[in-house]
Amino acid sequence: NAGVMQNPRHLVRRRGQEARLRCSPMKGHSHVYWYRQLPEEGLKFMVYLQKENIIDESGMPKERFSAEFPKEGPSILRIQQVVRGDSAAYFCASEDNTEAFFGQGTRLTVV
Amino acid sequence: GQQLNQSPQSMFIQEGEDVSMNCTSSSIFNTWLWYKQDPGEGPVLLIALYKAGELTSNGRLTAQFGITRKDSFLNISASIPSDVGIYFCAGLIQGGSEKLVFGKGTKLTVNP
Repeated sequence: NAGVMQNPRHLVRRRGQEARLRCSPMKGHSHVYWYRQLPEEGLKFMVYLQKENIIDESGMPKERFSAEFPKEGPSILRIQQVVRGDSAAYFCASEDNTEAFFGQGTRLTVV
Repeated sequence: GQQLNQSPQSMFIQEGEDVSMNCTSSSIFNTWLWYKQDPGEGPVLLIALYKAGELTSNGRLTAQFGITRKDSFLNISASIPSDVGIYFCAGLIQGGSEKLVFGKGTKLTVNP
């Protein structure tokens, strides 16, 4: 049973470009969380999704950020027109109502 | 939003010492989870707790789900250098759409 898979592990984007981060949950898990982490800091909640539905997006910036979890395929966190301040590690976790498991993260660097 | 108060923020200990960290909240949780994060990696689940008062061990790690359902602690006995990392507590909020809430982490440094 494969764990939570995130790709890419590292992503470099120039200011103004788009970043797409993918997360495939564990088999059988229908809920996904996205978190952002700056160096030496904790995990900051961004969005909580189930397939085809956003449950809670209270942690998402109002502009440039969006997330989806389609019926088929991975969950996508999309950041449009990236800025230097978007540089961070982005972690995805999948949950089955009893436990939550994390992926290895995507480290986004905006240059 | 919901928040967990995790303490201490950081700890510096000698190899062989025991360690204790805890999380408290004003909210009731029906599940407590403890994670460890190594540098450059994602958090790894160490222990999951599902019942108030539950005490669970995983090797040298022991965690308890508080009776009030608003707190939990994690103990590490006889620490070793590879215990270094950041430890996070997390709670699943009861009722409605369950959401995972994290503490800010405890950074553990173990001196050989």
